[in-house]
Amino acid sequence: DAGVTQSPTHLIKTRGQQVTLRCSPKSGHDTVSWYQQALGQGPQFIFQYYEEEERQRGNFPDRFSGHQFPNYSSELNVNALLLGDSALYLCASRWGTYGDTQYFGPGTRLTVL
Amino acid sequence: GQSLEQPSEVTAVEGAIVQINCTYQTSGFYGLSWYQQHDGGAPTFLSYNALDGLEETGRFSSFLSRSDSYGYLLLQELQMKDSASYFCAEPGQNFVFGPGTRLSVLP
Repeated sequence: DAGVTQSPTHLIKTRGQQVTLRCSPKSGHDTVSWYQQALGQGPQFIFQYYEEEERQRGNFPDRFSGHQFPNYSSELNVNALLLGDSALYLCASRWGTYGDTQYFGPGTRLTVL
Repeated sequence: GQSLEQPSEVTAVEGAIVQINCTYQTSGFYGLSWYQQHDGGAPTFLSYNALDGLEETGRFSSFLSRSDSYGYLLLQELQMKDSASYFCAEPGQNFVFGPGTRLSVLP
């Protein structure tokens, strides 16, 4: 049973560029959430996708957008990258939009130069 | 809004017991979860308290008091591998995380 997978593991971009991160949820899970984690801080909720729709959104600008596909996998897109977007981007999956447990992927380390 | 507070750092020696506290202010509180994250790794689930009281899972225990908006994670028989960051989280739709407590276990 594969857990949550994310790609790529590392990414280097320059300011102003666009990036797409990918996530495949744990088998049996239908809800995917994305988090941004800066060094030394807790994960910050970006948004949650369920039934191919954005259900909840954290305090992130519209430059951050996403998508969920019929197979429950998801993408996170960030446009017009800023230096401050450098962080670990974590994807987490669970069954349903509420639940006591989320399973996290290994994350994508994004560096913006 | 939702916010959780934790101490930033805790240090203990191998074999000791340590308690990591978490206080919260949330609306529509569902319960309190705890996650462990080693440097460079992803958060991994440790425990969840939906109701008041103590939940025990091996060397780790977690406690919740809804009336006090307070919970804690108790780690017993500390081992070097327990050195990590520990996050409390409120598992509503937004799954809000606390800022994390960095635990250092010394030999």
